[in-house]
Amino acid sequence: ETGVTQTPRHLVMGMTNKKSLKCEQHLGHNAMYWYKQSAKKPLELMFVYSLEERVENNSVPSRFSPECPNSSHLFLHLHTLQPEDSALYLCASSPPSATRTGELFFGEGSRLTVL
Amino acid sequence: AQSVAQPEDQVNVAEGNPLTVKCTYSVSGNPYLFWYVQYPNRGLQFLLKYITGDNLVKGSYGFEAEFNKSQTSFHLKKPSALVSDSALYFCAVRDQDSNYQLIWGAGTKLIIKP
Repeated sequence: ETGVTQTPRHLVMGMTNKKSLKCEQHLGHNAMYWYKQSAKKPLELMFVYSLEERVENNSVPSRFSPECPNSSHLFLHLHTLQPEDSALYLCASSPPSATRTGELFFGEGSRLTVL
Repeated sequence: AQSVAQPEDQVNVAEGNPLTVKCTYSVSGNPYLFWYVQYPNRGLQFLLKYITGDNLVKGSYGFEAEFNKSQTSFHLKKPSALVSDSALYFCAVRDQDSNYQLIWGAGTKLIIKP
């Protein structure tokens, strides 16, 4: 138990569906992240929120839409995805005042399959 | 350009033997270096980090890593491998130009055989 909970753990969706991934952290952290993990590739940072404000957006297609309603919750809304978007999506958080030197705390991931 | 390399896709070690998982990096300035482990069907877990100070860093589960500035390396080591150490290991370095970005290696699969 890392204190970062992701739901659902597995999601299968068609290309025309709309779905959302949810992340919740119980650690009192103030920065939250979405990463994409594909096999045998480095992790790709998608979005970062700090104090509920988006601070990083790494050229992610608009079919991925993040939302951070408060410092404990992070969503990734999915719409008209492509099969190449199939991957493990990881949520992470980091503690205040230690963004550069502190470690990340990851959830267990949401395995997304796009048909 | 900033980068991290994990030159081995897979490392095989017999249980009880020492293990090394290699990582080299390229950044300007002083590096902040991290190792994470991912067990099957799980998220990543932090193992250890080097920020400053002693070049030998000790972390979780008996792992340690040695920072070598001249060789720009940060290899992960353990004196005696356990079957339960079998997992995917990621090296990362803090992006010098960002408070939030990490530059990740592609990962090394460690297999410990009984």
